[in-house]
Amino acid sequence: GENVEQHPSTLSVQEGDSAVIKCTYSDSASNYFPWYKQELGKGPQLIIDIRSNVGEKKDQRIAVTLNKTAKHFSLHITETQPEDSAVYFCAASTLQPSGTYKYIFGTGTRLKVLA
Amino acid sequence: KAGVTQTPRYLIKTRGQQVTLSCSPISGHRSVSWYQQTPGQGLQFLFEYFSETQRNKGNFPGRFSGRQFSNSRSEMNVSTLELGDSALYLCASSPTGEINQPQHFGDGTRLSIL
Repeated sequence: GENVEQHPSTLSVQEGDSAVIKCTYSDSASNYFPWYKQELGKGPQLIIDIRSNVGEKKDQRIAVTLNKTAKHFSLHITETQPEDSAVYFCAASTLQPSGTYKYIFGTGTRLKVLA
Repeated sequence: KAGVTQTPRYLIKTRGQQVTLSCSPISGHRSVSWYQQTPGQGLQFLFEYFSETQRNKGNFPGRFSGRQFSNSRSEMNVSTLELGDSALYLCASSPTGEINQPQHFGDGTRLSIL
């Protein structure tokens, strides 16, 4: 079935350094890839997304890259700050028999930014 | 604009009981999806409702059911609760659930089974 693998499961970086989280998906028809940030006691919040017709997208300190041939996409956070500490989830769209889409989520990366 | 609202935030039940969770989507959103989140399994898709109809379903037993009302509010029911049902249940809404529409999540209902 459809699957999204996410690595690493935990990541510790020094404040100011960069963090990279990688995801691989299995459904070659997937064409929408959102990233979510989940803080303690909260639901996941969308932080950035990318569509399959785009190779890279940036929003201030956050960027996402997509390699459709290799079926993987990555989240890049530059100049990390303590408030970036959270669990990050990637997701990939997958077409259902109903003709609509659902999202398959990765298992999450716990990012700790050390001050 | 108010976000997705889930009630209650916390629930404690015992094995064999049943439970109903509620979700109010963002105003104007007609697609509501439910997920189960556990430390070991991450976010697992339960089902999606659109215009009061279940449109997609995940791989969960029939003890898990849901419905959607004409105002797009949704409820999820779990019958004959088991210890393994302890989890954070998340609801997410989007305008129509079509591709490229991001889902907006509520803060979840944490269900604990004793």
